[in-house]
Amino acid sequence: KAGVTQTPRYLIKTRGQQVTLSCSPISGHRSVSWYQQTPGQGLQFLFEYFSETQRNKGNFPGRFSGRQFSNSRSEMNVSTLELGDSALYLCASSQTLGTASYEQYFGPGTRLTVT
Amino acid sequence: AQKITQTQPGMFVQEKEAVTLDCTYDTSDPSYGLFWYKQPSSGEMIFLIYQGSYDQQNATEGRYSLNFQKARKSANLVISASQLGDSAMYFCAMREGSGANSKLTFGKGITLSVRP
Repeated sequence: KAGVTQTPRYLIKTRGQQVTLSCSPISGHRSVSWYQQTPGQGLQFLFEYFSETQRNKGNFPGRFSGRQFSNSRSEMNVSTLELGDSALYLCASSQTLGTASYEQYFGPGTRLTVT
Repeated sequence: AQKITQTQPGMFVQEKEAVTLDCTYDTSDPSYGLFWYKQPSSGEMIFLIYQGSYDQQNATEGRYSLNFQKARKSANLVISASQLGDSAMYFCAMREGSGANSKLTFGKGITLSVRP
């Protein structure tokens, strides 16, 4: 079974631009979560989608948005990029939602550099 | 207060020896799950082991075991017979309760270096 895939793997953008990152979950998984990882803040939860609906959201500004399609693939968009948005963006998928026990499987991440 | 605390500095262990990575957590929810993930330099987070708050026994997965002490709110990861490929960042994480607000919260991570 193929794992979680993320595209692109590396991205360089300039301040003020916008960017879209893509995540394809493991086949059969309906939940997709996004995380931002930086050296200073560590791993921070962005949002979670299940059955095309955002179910949970972290403490990020409205410049960060996402969506999920009917095939469970998800995209994350960041508008008006700032230098501080430079980070590794990780996507994770899971079969279920709503209990404390479900495991998430992560993709390789997209490393975004904002110059 | 931090939900997950990993305070050890970079850890070093000799190949083939065992090592314990510490994790303490804070929650008032009776239902929660504790997870350990490994992140090699490539960046991908690899799931290692899970412990549920109601589990009576410590979780084990191959060379990984979780020393779960509920009263002390600690969930230390034990890696037996360390291998060079174990060199990575290790993250402890917790998910509390259920429903829409049930999200995974990570600690700051611990760097483990295995010496030959």
